[in-house]
Amino acid sequence: NAGVTQTPKFQVLKTGQSMTLQCAQDMNHEYMSWYRQDPGMGLRLIHYSVGAGITDQGEVPNGYNVSRSTTEDFPLRLLSAAPSQTSVYFCASSYSVLGNTEAFFGQGTRLTVV
Amino acid sequence: KNEVEQSPQNLTAQEGEFITINCSYSVGISALHWLQQHPGGGIVSLFMLSSGKKKHGRLIATINIQEKHSSLHITASHPRDSAVYICAVRSGSARQLTFGSGTQLTVLP
Repeated sequence: NAGVTQTPKFQVLKTGQSMTLQCAQDMNHEYMSWYRQDPGMGLRLIHYSVGAGITDQGEVPNGYNVSRSTTEDFPLRLLSAAPSQTSVYFCASSYSVLGNTEAFFGQGTRLTVV
Repeated sequence: KNEVEQSPQNLTAQEGEFITINCSYSVGISALHWLQQHPGGGIVSLFMLSSGKKKHGRLIATINIQEKHSSLHITASHPRDSAVYICAVRSGSARQLTFGSGTQLTVLP
């Protein structure tokens, strides 16, 4: 049981480049989300999805796109990377968006934009 | 404005000490999570609670709903407990967790 798998673990981009962070879960979870973690701050929600075909913006969505074509996959796209997007990104999933359900996190992607 | 406040931000302890990390929140919640993040690693869920107390091995989590406060205790601390401990809350019907900024714990041998 792999849980939540994120790729890549590390990435360096040049300003203006685009890329996709991959996230997959094998637990048949409805709810998936992307967070960024910056020094001295709590994790902040970028985008989330409550099921295939349904996505919504979180607290810091600008510069990022998501899609949810299947239950398993929830990729995060950086359209035109900026140094302000240097961060550690975490994908998470849970069985349900509401109620007392445990959250499962991926190993994180450390992104540096130069 | 951060709705979830953790204290202390940094904590250094000697092996064997009893450790307490605190979390205060400002809104009504449906659940509170304690998470652990090791250096260079991912985030692991330790506890999820909405009332009372939970225990797993040397870790104990308590919550006081009236006071909007939770504590994470580690008994007989060990260097392998060194990590960042994160508190997160889900308020009411909110579709997201709100996270504290974490407590960096270092346990020295």
